[in-house]
Amino acid sequence: AQSVAQPEDQVNVAEGNPLTVKCTYSVSGNPYLFWYVQYPNRGLQFLLKYITGDNLVKGSYGFEAEFNKSQTSFHLKKPSALVSDSALYFCAVRPAYSGAGSYQLTFGKGTKLSVIP
Amino acid sequence: EAGVAQSPRYKIIEKRQSVAFWCNPISGHATLYWYQQILGQGPKLLIQFQNNGVVDDSQLPKDRFSAERLKGVDSTLKIQPAKLEDSAVYLCASSLVWGGGVQETQYFGPGTRLLVL
Repeated sequence: AQSVAQPEDQVNVAEGNPLTVKCTYSVSGNPYLFWYVQYPNRGLQFLLKYITGDNLVKGSYGFEAEFNKSQTSFHLKKPSALVSDSALYFCAVRPAYSGAGSYQLTFGKGTKLSVIP
Repeated sequence: EAGVAQSPRYKIIEKRQSVAFWCNPISGHATLYWYQQILGQGPKLLIQFQNNGVVDDSQLPKDRFSAERLKGVDSTLKIQPAKLEDSAVYLCASSLVWGGGVQETQYFGPGTRLLVL
């Protein structure tokens, strides 16, 4: 069964500093990886995804993520944090090919990012 | 482009009552998903439709939950009878296609927050 681990429940970073939100995954075969952000009382908003190709993926709002197959990681990064980046961030994985099985997307528990002015 | 619409936004019911949620996906999106997000956890897939057919309902508690997408567009999710542990946010998402490729990004609605007393 596939799974996602977000080891930090909360990440605090000062405005203007670089930020990293960690994600590791487990899946059979090659993964498709996603990052979503959730603001209070709102649904999830898509940030970026890795399907194939370049290991460094660039997404919305200046975010990027690096796929590392050997470490089974897909950490989310941003060079300079903004107060408005404060939100809940979810990493998700699904298998690229599942044969007769489901392409079900599995989410981590989320990491709360707080950017301090 | 209009996003995924959901109603109601909030619902409070007593245990053993029934409740229904409605979702209208992004126009042209063939695939529709219902997720359950319990406080402090990531979304969990309940059911996935491709047009009006069910692709995956392996995690749907079928003794009390039901869902339909009769005309391949909007969908309803019903709980009957509700239990205390059903208190959660119910998210609807849609994607252009299913099974892989760059078009399969899921876009989420704002969710329905259910409280069962």
